[in-house]
Amino acid sequence: AQSVTQLDSQVPVFEEAPVELRCNYSSSVSVYLFWYVQYPNQGLQLLLKYLSGSTLVKGINGFEAEFNKSQTSFHLRKPSVHISDTAEYFCAVSPGVDSSYKLIFGSGTRLLVRP
Amino acid sequence: GAGVSQTPSNKVTEKGKYVELRCDPISGHTALYWYRQSLGQGPEFLIYFQGTGAADDSGLPNDRFFAVRPEGSVSTLKIQRTERGDSAVYLCASSNFGLAGADTQYFGPGTRLTVL
Repeated sequence: AQSVTQLDSQVPVFEEAPVELRCNYSSSVSVYLFWYVQYPNQGLQLLLKYLSGSTLVKGINGFEAEFNKSQTSFHLRKPSVHISDTAEYFCAVSPGVDSSYKLIFGSGTRLLVRP
Repeated sequence: GAGVSQTPSNKVTEKGKYVELRCDPISGHTALYWYRQSLGQGPEFLIYFQGTGAADDSGLPNDRFFAVRPEGSVSTLKIQRTERGDSAVYLCASSNFGLAGADTQYFGPGTRLTVL
């Protein structure tokens, strides 16, 4: 069965500093990859997704992620964070064409941006 | 336009009771999903509807859980004989399922269920 590992449960960072949130997945077949953000008392919002093509994916709010097939990773990055980026971030994978509707989520990383 | 809405936002019930959780998807979305998010965990897939039919209910934990979508729009997740372990946030999502697959799923704010 596929799984997603988010190595850090919490990442504290100062405002305007760069950040990387790590995500690794287990799969030997093609997958689709996603990053969602969850603000307090709000629903999950899609930041970006990788389906195919260029391994560098740009998303909303200045975030980007890089798909690395050999390392089965899909790390999320932002060069300069804002206080408003404080939220929970979830990496997710769907098992490719046959079950692309079924998202398998990691346990989340809480990004805490300090002034 | 309106996003996915879920009611109630919070539900407290006693062990053994029956509960219904409602989801109103984005208008026109044919696909609807239910997930469950336990404390400190990511969402866990429960069931997927394509139109009125449950295309995949493999994530439902046991036969106490049931979901319907009779007219292909609003969905209700039903839990019988609730147990304390059912306490979680129940998330609903919808998407405009197309041939490309991997449609963006739009999530509602969730219903927080607490079983005492």
